[in-house]
Amino acid sequence: AQSVTQPDIHITVSEGASLELRCNYSYGATPYLFWYVQSPGQGLQLLLKYFSGDTLVQGIKGFEAEFKRSQSSFNLRKPSVHWSDAAEYFCAVGRGNTGGFKTIFGAGTRLFVKA
Amino acid sequence: DAGVTQSPTHLIKTRGQQVTLRCSPKSGHDTVSWYQQALGQGPQFIFQYYEEEERQRGNFPDRFSGHQFPNYSSELNVNALLLGDSALYLCASSTLSGGGRSSGELFFGEGSRLTVL
Repeated sequence: AQSVTQPDIHITVSEGASLELRCNYSYGATPYLFWYVQSPGQGLQLLLKYFSGDTLVQGIKGFEAEFKRSQSSFNLRKPSVHWSDAAEYFCAVGRGNTGGFKTIFGAGTRLFVKA
Repeated sequence: DAGVTQSPTHLIKTRGQQVTLRCSPKSGHDTVSWYQQALGQGPQFIFQYYEEEERQRGNFPDRFSGHQFPNYSSELNVNALLLGDSALYLCASSTLSGGGRSSGELFFGEGSRLTVL
């Protein structure tokens, strides 16, 4: 069965420090991979996605993620965190067929940013 | 360009009642997915509608049903409400071309927060 694991429930990072959020997935084949962010009182917003090709993908707000097939991982990184990055981050996997496209989300990692 | 809109934003029901939540997709989108997000958890996939049919379904009981209208808007219905149905219900829209190909990107509304007492 498909699953997404985000091992860290919450992470605290100092402003200006680097960030890495972990994500591991279980899937029969290489799925589409996504990172979404949810700020308080707002809907989820796509940060970046990976379908194929270059395993390092760039997203919005200075985020990037690297797909590692051998580790079934898709970790999110940012070189320098800003206070406005404090939010909940969700890793997701998806796959389509003629019957539709189903996206499964992890439990999320809450990011706290300290001054 | 209007994004995904959901109504109502908040509602309170009692156990055993029924609820209907509504969603209008982003302009140009033809597919609507519904998710349940309990407090402190990730969104759980309920089902997806395309061409007015349920195309994919998650692990939710038959108490959860839906509908998609010709204008692509959608409703989520939950019957016989339980305390455990209290959650944020998220609607997400996307596009599915012929053959089910999709960019995979979901556009989310802000959700409907349901409290069951």
